[in-house]
Amino acid sequence: GDSVTQMEGPVTLSEEAFLTINCTYTATGYPSLFWYVQYPGEGLQLLLKATKADDKGSNKGFEATYRKETTSFHLEKGSVQVSDSAVYFCALGGSGGSYIPTFGRGTSLIVHP
Amino acid sequence: DAGVIQSPRHEVTEMGQEVTLRCKPISGHDYLFWYRQTMMRGLELLIYFNNNVPIDDSGMPEDRFSAKMPNASFSTLKIQPSEPRDSAVYFCASSPFGEGRGDTQYFGPGTRLTVL
Repeated sequence: GDSVTQMEGPVTLSEEAFLTINCTYTATGYPSLFWYVQYPGEGLQLLLKATKADDKGSNKGFEATYRKETTSFHLEKGSVQVSDSAVYFCALGGSGGSYIPTFGRGTSLIVHP
Repeated sequence: DAGVIQSPRHEVTEMGQEVTLRCKPISGHDYLFWYRQTMMRGLELLIYFNNNVPIDDSGMPEDRFSAKMPNASFSTLKIQPSEPRDSAVYFCASSPFGEGRGDTQYFGPGTRLTVL
């Protein structure tokens, strides 16, 4: 079945450091790929998405590129801020005609001033 | 739009009591999902509806859990009787009809359930 694997956290960085959170997936067909962010005490919200191979999703300085050849969708940001501290979830959807989404376990990011 | 609305935000109850969680999806969205989030198990999909019809409830942990969607603007998740291991944050999410390849999910703020 479909699955999403994320690097385990927490990831701890200093402000202005470069961020990479790795995400790889297995899926049938050609799913859409998503990154969601969850701030403390809130629900998940979409950060960015990509719907086909080689697409790059971007938002709020975060980027991720849909790499079909490596089945990856790594999240990057050039300079993190304290306000980026949150849990980040990689997800895929629509694989093989199924509407059931598949989420990774989430990666906690802690950014220190 | 106000987004997905869930109530109550917090619920504390005693073992054996009935618990009802409520969700109002975003108007016009065709899909509604119920999730449970715990530290141990992460985010689990419990059930989802398409146009008010339950499509897949294979994630519902046991018969104590039931979900309904009587109309396009309201859904409930009921636990009867509740047990301490049901303590978790329960999220409702809705999604518009996409191109059949999975579309963005819009999550509510969640209900934090504590069963004593």
